[in-house]
Amino acid sequence: AQSVTQLDSHVSVSEGTPVLLRCNYSSSYSPSLFWYVQHPNKGLQLLLKYTSAATLVKGINGFEAEFKKSETSFHLTKPSAHMSDAAEYFCVVSDHLVGSASKIIFGSGTRLSIRP
Amino acid sequence: DVKVTQSSRYLVKRTGEKVFLECVQDMDHENMFWYRQDPGLGLRLIYFSYDVKMKEKGDIPEGYSVSREKKERFSLILESASTNQTSMYLCASSTTGGGGGINRPQHFGDGTRLSIL
Repeated sequence: AQSVTQLDSHVSVSEGTPVLLRCNYSSSYSPSLFWYVQHPNKGLQLLLKYTSAATLVKGINGFEAEFKKSETSFHLTKPSAHMSDAAEYFCVVSDHLVGSASKIIFGSGTRLSIRP
Repeated sequence: DVKVTQSSRYLVKRTGEKVFLECVQDMDHENMFWYRQDPGLGLRLIYFSYDVKMKEKGDIPEGYSVSREKKERFSLILESASTNQTSMYLCASSTTGGGGGINRPQHFGDGTRLSIL
């Protein structure tokens, strides 16, 4: 069975400092993993995805994530936070099955706040 | 650029009404999805469709049905609206890349905030 846990519901950092949003997953199959961002009153936008190629994945807006199979983690990082990064972030796991067997699970979200 | 358009940003209905939420995508994607989003619960999948007239139940299908008569359009139907269906509803689409499955990135609409009074 698949599951995804975002370990922090809210993270607050100062502008210019590093960002770490934590995500642990479980999957019976080799999963695909995603991070999405949602700004207020908007839909979700893809930040990055892991699909069994390189374990360090670079995304948009300076974000990156590292797939660690031994730790079943897919944490999202950014070296220097910007005010525009304030948003809700979702970690997502899906499998490679087809049709009715396909599963996709969203984490409960982490709200990122940026202090001036 | 992929565009997923939801017909209404805000909708207010009364309990017992039949409610239709419409979603259209312009990228010829095979897969389409309906989610509801509630604070602290993330997104929960209601239904998805991987082809015209094909549908699969997600995690919370009770009280909902869907229709996909054309590839670009996916409708969510609340048969008899209840107050516990007050929520944000998000539609999304994705390609299968020719291999089937739902493991490719999804493109989302801006959501419909539905209130049931």
